[in-house]
Amino acid sequence: DTAVSQTPKYLVTQMGNDKSIKCEQNLGHDTMYWYKQDSKKFLKIMFSYNNKELIINETVPNRFSPKSPDKAHLNLHINSLELGDSAVYFCASSPTEGGGANVLTFGAGSRLTVL
Amino acid sequence: LAKTTQPISMDSYEGQEVNITCSHNNIATNDYITWYQQFPSQGPRFIIQGYKTKVTNEVASLFIPADRKSSTLSLPRVSLSDTAVYYCLVGAYNVAFSGGYNKLIFGAGTRLAVHP
Repeated sequence: DTAVSQTPKYLVTQMGNDKSIKCEQNLGHDTMYWYKQDSKKFLKIMFSYNNKELIINETVPNRFSPKSPDKAHLNLHINSLELGDSAVYFCASSPTEGGGANVLTFGAGSRLTVL
Repeated sequence: LAKTTQPISMDSYEGQEVNITCSHNNIATNDYITWYQQFPSQGPRFIIQGYKTKVTNEVASLFIPADRKSSTLSLPRVSLSDTAVYYCLVGAYNVAFSGGYNKLIFGAGTRLAVHP
């Protein structure tokens, strides 16, 4: 039973389109994240939600809109896709308290290719 | 936020012990040191975490000197399957101390290549 699951795993689309990536965790964690990993393999945090509340927004373009319907789900919607949005997007979750706050469980990633 | 510095890449051979050192000169009092491993086409995976001295689990050991300005991840007797990118991060033990959130920053990581 996958702890953090993301769908879709692969996404190929044209510039200007709108797409969504879904994430679900069954670990009971309070905090969820979206990270972006570009072609140079740098992992950059985009957003973090704690109990459905946005707590981190790392200067991400407004075209990116996260939504957390409940603390087990964090979806990412991207409007007007650009070539530079091509990357692997990772969802992660962690507990909030104690040393576990640093222990993130990542999903397998969603590879987005914008043509 | 404490910045981390690690070697870009390392090479080793099967059966050898590998030590990867990470510098974090600006580590805060309530920061813990956490290491992750990432294989190609997978998300990062937690390996080990520590605050000071030495921590050991079934995968690795983590050595942290008294001043906590650096840490060393030790992988005993590596195999080909240990070829991966290893990330060192520092972050607050309790998010309450960091204003209610924990912004874990991943650096470039260390690419470890294990050869036969």
